[in-house]
Amino acid sequence: DTGVSQDPRHKITKRGQNVTFRCDPISEHNRLYWYRQTLGQGPEFLTYFQNEAQLEKSRLLSDRFSAERPKGSFSTLEIQRTEQGDSAMYLCASSRGPVEAFFGQGTRLTVV
Amino acid sequence: EDKVVQSPLSLVVHEGDTVTLNCSYEVTNFRSLLWYKQEKKAPTFLFMLTSSGIEKKSGRLSSILDKKELFSILNITATQTGDSAVYLCAVGKGGSEKLVFGKGTKLTVNP
Repeated sequence: DTGVSQDPRHKITKRGQNVTFRCDPISEHNRLYWYRQTLGQGPEFLTYFQNEAQLEKSRLLSDRFSAERPKGSFSTLEIQRTEQGDSAMYLCASSRGPVEAFFGQGTRLTVV
Repeated sequence: EDKVVQSPLSLVVHEGDTVTLNCSYEVTNFRSLLWYKQEKKAPTFLFMLTSSGIEKKSGRLSSILDKKELFSILNITATQTGDSAVYLCAVGKGGSEKLVFGKGTKLTVNP
């Protein structure tokens, strides 16, 4: 499968714990995006990488959230000291340029 | 503040019906409008529109953009149960890489 791959698919964690998600984009895509989606809402933009550079961040990305793309390939999104409000689907997408983005299956996070 | 509004939020039809989904937007520095289909998890890309009045078609689906009136429609003809999904409209802005999404229209096609 050459689509966008995310791991894990599901994560249940206790409030206050740290979690990390991974995204592997389509191999020739230099742009990578993270979005968050809650029930009944459309995806909300979190952050954008072009190669290894993080070029855009949403105000939604509080200081408990950090994202990296160390070698311009895969990316990680870490949430520290999770809160119940962080429960959501975290979607990763990639694209070859300013064109359509292709999404992964998402990581569903439940904070209990 | 940028806004993308989709209507209706929910729609139930019978197989064979034709449906029209609406998306209106208010964004600064509009660049493109995209439609996605979301069944279970990943939104899958349908269309990207950048120019007014040019219809894009793919099988039974078609879409058109009106940049003067700031809206787009997605038409699905001869609906099938496999068309049941949430249809998301998103707008891309110049000077930013983010897409601004609407809440989606949940389409249910009954046999």
